[in-house]
Amino acid sequence: NAGVTQTPKFQVLKTGQSMTLQCAQDMNHEYMSWYRQDPGMGLRLIHYSVGAGITDQGEVPNGYNVSRSTTEDFPLRLLSAAPSQTSVYFCASSFGTSGGTLYEQYFGPGTRLTVT
Amino acid sequence: EDQVTQSPEALRLQEGESSSLNCSYTVSGLRGLFWYRQDPGKGPEFLFTLYSAGEEKEKERLKATLTKKESFLHITAPKPEDSATYLCAVQAGVRSGSRLTFGEGTQLTVNP
Repeated sequence: NAGVTQTPKFQVLKTGQSMTLQCAQDMNHEYMSWYRQDPGMGLRLIHYSVGAGITDQGEVPNGYNVSRSTTEDFPLRLLSAAPSQTSVYFCASSFGTSGGTLYEQYFGPGTRLTVT
Repeated sequence: EDQVTQSPEALRLQEGESSSLNCSYTVSGLRGLFWYRQDPGKGPEFLFTLYSAGEEKEKERLKATLTKKESFLHITAPKPEDSATYLCAVQAGVRSGSRLTFGEGTQLTVNP
């Protein structure tokens, strides 16, 4: 199993540009999430999905869109990049109970994004 | 609002010097508490999940415990390869979906 994969590993954008961060998992996990990690702020949840076709907002969703058309893929779209979106982005996936309690989350290697 | 506080922010140990990391939380209805290890430039790596007060889990030199207000990650006779940032996260509330709230982490350095 490849686990959770993310592309690209590094990206530099100019203010106002748009792009999509890719995330894929091959473990058939129903739960997938996107986090950003900033110094002194810890990991913060951007958006998450509890299954194909179902997404919801996390703690810091503004400026980001997601969709989940398949179990495997959960792309994160930056609509109009801003310097405040400079960060390291992690995708994660897991199994969970039918009531929504998560089991262990597997994280991808991250995408390091710089917006100038 | 769920809050997770980890202490200390940074910890330096000599090889073999046992210690504990703390994760205190204020949540409404804890569903699970998670410990992760993160090496520089990499994604967090899962260590433990604890679901109820009194629960304990062990893995090699690490032992995680849980009370109603906090969790401890005990490191026994650490080695330099245990150097990393240790993250604590909680899932709480009936309507939490798959939300995890993370602490800021404890940066552990083990000197040979």
